Amino acid sequence: DAGVTQSPTHLIKTRGQQVTLRCSPKSGHDTVSWYQQALGQGPQFIFQYYEEEERQRGNFPDRFSGHQFPNYSSELNVNALLLGDSALYLCASSLLGQGVRGYTFGSGTRLTVV
Amino acid sequence: GIQVEQSPPDLILQEGANSTLRCNFSDSVNNLQWFHQNPWGQLINLFYIPSGTKQNGRLSATTVATERYSLLYISSSQTTDSGVYFCAVRGGQGGATNKLIFGTGTLLAVQP
Repeated sequence: DAGVTQSPTHLIKTRGQQVTLRCSPKSGHDTVSWYQQALGQGPQFIFQYYEEEERQRGNFPDRFSGHQFPNYSSELNVNALLLGDSALYLCASSLLGQGVRGYTFGSGTRLTVV
Repeated sequence: GIQVEQSPPDLILQEGANSTLRCNFSDSVNNLQWFHQNPWGQLINLFYIPSGTKQNGRLSATTVATERYSLLYISSSQTTDSGVYFCAVRGGQGGATNKLIFGTGTLLAVQP
C-alpha cells in the first residue's frame, strides 16, 4: 500500500518564477493538506483540500494556490517566487472523518529559490 | 492562537542513554501528537496522546492536559532515533478545523 507520494523531491527556481508541486495521497484517503517548513522550524499549515475545494487556509498570501483532482491528488502552486519561499513543502493526506489524527505525511519537496 | 514550545532545542546523547523531551502549549487542547522527522524529511506519527500515558517499545509519552504540557521519553537510545521530534496540537476551535500547529522541535543526535 503506497503512502503519500510527492514530486519532485528537489527543485531550484529563480525569483519571480512560478512552481507547481504535486502530491498523491495514500490509498483510501480523500483529504490533502499542505505545509511549509522553513529551515530549522516546524511545519506551518498552508491549506487543506477536500472534494476538490479549499476547505481551510492558513496565513499565506494569495500567491499560494492549490487544486485537488477527482482522484484526490493535489497540486500546490506558488507564483512570483520570493527567496523566503525556500523551504520543504510537505503534503499530508487523511480521511476527513479522522481529522488530524489520521494524517500521513509524504517526504516533501525541497524548494530552493535563488 | 495557540503557542507550542519545545525544549530542549538540541540534544546530543550517547547510544544507550535515556532522554526526556518536553512540549508546552498555551491553551487547552483536545489533540496532541508527537512526530519524528527522519533525515529524508518525512514526518512519522509516534503518538496521538491528548491525555494520559502511552508506550510503544522504547518510547513513551505522557500528556497532562490540565497543566498544558506533554513529555516524550526515549529509553536506551539508538542512532536510528536521531532526527527532529515535533509535538503538534490541533489549531482553532471546534470540530471544523483540521490543521496542526507544530512546535519548534527538538533536534536529537545519538552518537555511537
